[in-house]
Amino acid sequence: DVKVTQSSRYLVKRTGEKVFLECVQDMDHENMFWYRQDPGLGLRLIYFSYDVKMKEKGDIPEGYSVSREKKERFSLILESASTNQTSMYLCASSFWFYEQYFGPGTRLTVT
Amino acid sequence: GQNIDQPTEMTATEGAIVQINCTYQTSGFNGLFWYQQHAGEAPTFLSYNVLDGLEEKGRFSSFLSRSKGYSYLLLKELQMKDSASYLCASMDSNYQLIWGAGTKLIIKP
Repeated sequence: DVKVTQSSRYLVKRTGEKVFLECVQDMDHENMFWYRQDPGLGLRLIYFSYDVKMKEKGDIPEGYSVSREKKERFSLILESASTNQTSMYLCASSFWFYEQYFGPGTRLTVT
Repeated sequence: GQNIDQPTEMTATEGAIVQINCTYQTSGFNGLFWYQQHAGEAPTFLSYNVLDGLEEKGRFSSFLSRSKGYSYLLLKELQMKDSASYLCASMDSNYQLIWGAGTKLIIKP
């Protein structure tokens, strides 16, 4: 069964902290994605990766970075968390550009 | 610019039929996806259309008209568990998904 897991369901951090969100998929997918989801807005792409050590900026990369050292793992890093980064973060993976499989999400609150 | 439009909220009755519309404008087109998202959960894939016409999958069907930039998701024999948000997403020429804000579907007994 297809599975994407994320390290935390809920996270509370303070302004200025460095935050790591981890995502692991067990489907041997090449493509992995990080989105944020806010009420009234569609999913917005932060970064994506087509292969190990490869990354591409999405629509809203400012304030974020990513790391993909292994095919199954894609990490999102908030270098210095700010209150406007309070959001639901969703990781997804896909085989080529077919349907994306999503993790359960991490609800991050920055105070 | 790239844009996806779908209604914010719809209400329907258990056992009835509902149609959720989606219009899109994207740079190039490589298909239209529908996802279902229950409150507090991850989106799950429902359907993919790249050719004009209707694709049926059990109680759910999805329609595409490329010339009109239009798609709809049709849900038949509505059940309470169909209460969820339905997300429309168009894949552009770079194979990136452009997402709509989602339609919250409320099912009443």
